[in-house]
Amino acid sequence: AQSVAQPEDQVNVAEGNPLTVKCTYSVSGNPYLFWYVQYPNRGLQFLLKYITGDNLVKGSYGFEAEFNKSQTSFHLKKPSALVSDSALYFCAVREARTGNQFYFGTGTSLTVIP
Amino acid sequence: DGGITQSPKYLFRKEGQNVTLSCEQNLNHDAMYWYRQDPGQGLRLIYYSQIVNDFQKGDIAEGYSVSREKKESFPLTVTSAQKNPTAFYLCASRGGTGGPNQPQHFGDGTRLSIL
Repeated sequence: AQSVAQPEDQVNVAEGNPLTVKCTYSVSGNPYLFWYVQYPNRGLQFLLKYITGDNLVKGSYGFEAEFNKSQTSFHLKKPSALVSDSALYFCAVREARTGNQFYFGTGTSLTVIP
Repeated sequence: DGGITQSPKYLFRKEGQNVTLSCEQNLNHDAMYWYRQDPGQGLRLIYYSQIVNDFQKGDIAEGYSVSREKKESFPLTVTSAQKNPTAFYLCASRGGTGGPNQPQHFGDGTRLSIL
């Protein structure tokens, strides 16, 4: 079965500090991995994806994520948090070869404290 | 401007009533999806469609129905059989060049409540 786990419901970080939002996944084959951000009463916005190649992927708004195959993880990172980064973050996985569905984590609420 | 439009933004359902949520996209995407979002539960897949006139059940299809008569449109009907319909409903589409590694694009959702 395919699944995604986001172990932290809530992450608080001070403005200007680095942030990490954790994600681990389980798929039967090679994964396609995605991060999305959601602001209140809005849809999800795509941030970045890992398909193949370099384990460190860069995305929108200064976010990046590191794919670690041995730990089946895809943690989202940003070197310096902004108050405007406060939002709900979702990790999603899709099995590369045969998967038609995306599987989402339960979300992590990020609060950046001024 | 290309995107996905969901309407209405807010919807109220009376007991025993069916309601239909609209989802329209002008991205020329083949695949479309409906998700239900509840607090603390992430997104759960209701139905998805890979192509016109074809759709598949997701993990929580009971009490819902869909149609895909046009590429641009994928309406979701919440039937009276869905006993707990209060949630935020999100429509998404996926497609374009680049094949199966493309991300989904989301509408801004419809919030459904019970009267």
